[in-house]
Amino acid sequence: NAGVMQNPRHLVRRRGQEARLRCSPMKGHSHVYWYRQLPEEGLKFMVYLQKENIIDESGMPKERFSAEFPKEGPSILRIQQVVRGDSAAYFCASSPTRDEQFFGPGTRLTVL
Amino acid sequence: QQQVKQSPQSLIVQKGGISIINCAYENTAFDYFPWYQQFPGKGPALLIAIRPDVSEKKEGRFTISFNKSAKQFSLHIMDSQPGDSATYFCAASSYGNKLVFGAGTILRVKS
Repeated sequence: NAGVMQNPRHLVRRRGQEARLRCSPMKGHSHVYWYRQLPEEGLKFMVYLQKENIIDESGMPKERFSAEFPKEGPSILRIQQVVRGDSAAYFCASSPTRDEQFFGPGTRLTVL
Repeated sequence: QQQVKQSPQSLIVQKGGISIINCAYENTAFDYFPWYQQFPGKGPALLIAIRPDVSEKKEGRFTISFNKSAKQFSLHIMDSQPGDSATYFCAASSYGNKLVFGAGTILRVKS
């Protein structure tokens, strides 16, 4: 049973470009969470999704950030017009039951 | 009220010793308290978790102690090994929603 998969593992973007981060949850998991970890800091919640629905987006910045979890395919975190402050590790977690959350290896975004 | 406060920020323990990391919370709606271990460049890995209806849970060398009245919980690592050197995060959630993380503790086990 494969774990949570995220790609790409590393992503470099120039200021103003778009970043698309993908997350494939563990088999049988319908709950997906995105977290951001800034250098030398803890993890901060961004958004919680179930298939085709956003359940809680209270941690998402109001502009430039969006997330989806379509009926088919991976969950996508999209950052438009990236700025240097977006440089961070972005982690996806999945859960079968809304309790235990299993994290992927993360995508490390660097904005030049 | 959504914060989880974690201490110490860093910890050095001799091989074979006991590592103790503490967390405190305010939100009484929290009903799930996991601990995660993270190695550099990796994602957090779920170590052990507890619910407020029990005061202690043990899995191998890892034990969570939970004090509901004090709103505190702690992780004990018995017989600490150099391979345990990592960053440890406590977290809390209510009704299966978002995890609120502590700031993390960098553990170094000296051989």
